[in-house]
Amino acid sequence: SYELTQPPSVSVSPGQTARITCSGDALPKQYAYWYQQKPGQAPVLVIYKDSERPSGIPERFSGSSSGTTVTLTISGVQAEDEADYYCQSADSSGTYRDVVFGGGTKLTVL
Amino acid sequence: QVQLQESGPGLVKPSETLSLTCTVSGGSISSYYWSWIRQPAGKGLEWIGRIYTSGSTNYNPSLKSRVTMSVDTSKNQFSLKLSSVTAADTAVYYCARDIVVVVAATGFNWFDPWGQGTLVTVSS
Repeated sequence: SYELTQPPSVSVSPGQTARITCSGDALPKQYAYWYQQKPGQAPVLVIYKDSERPSGIPERFSGSSSGTTVTLTISGVQAEDEADYYCQSADSSGTYRDVVFGGGTKLTVL
Repeated sequence: QVQLQESGPGLVKPSETLSLTCTVSGGSISSYYWSWIRQPAGKGLEWIGRIYTSGSTNYNPSLKSRVTMSVDTSKNQFSLKLSSVTAADTAVYYCARDIVVVVAATGFNWFDPWGQGTLVTVSS
């Protein structure tokens, strides 16, 4: 079955830049989406279609894509950004019918 | 803005059927796809399946044999039934609006917004 691979954890100091990657063979054909999940809360969409930011999401959140890897970048990390981050996409058939999530990355703000 | 709220029993016995309902407020359920997603404690997200307001469905192949989804547009609700549950089905269950876009025969989807989630425990 199709998989999206994320690093289990990323740590940064406040004010620095955090980069969280997500790798998958179908990513050149399919967009990726990113969700932020704080403890005890539901996930929140922070990036869609690789690099689009929903209204209400701070400008410090950005996304990019290169080949089989997509990257969520958080510039000027703040303590409130500490959370789990999940990427999501679809399988290699190029349809939306089979949804896949990455395993999640825990962002720690030191 | 659209808000979603899950409801249903928090405890289900093994081998029985888990039943949850998601109520959509602040907007119409019509003309959208709606999904269920679950998350076992301390683990990642697993997509269960989606339903369109016409009643058409897509299910995760790994759960397909046990999942049934339905929609009631008059109540702005959609529902999940998961049969023959085991302890492995213990999780927080989320409902979410599933935004699907088809461009040149290629489909894309993302989830926004999500409900707050409801914990379902499978135990005797």
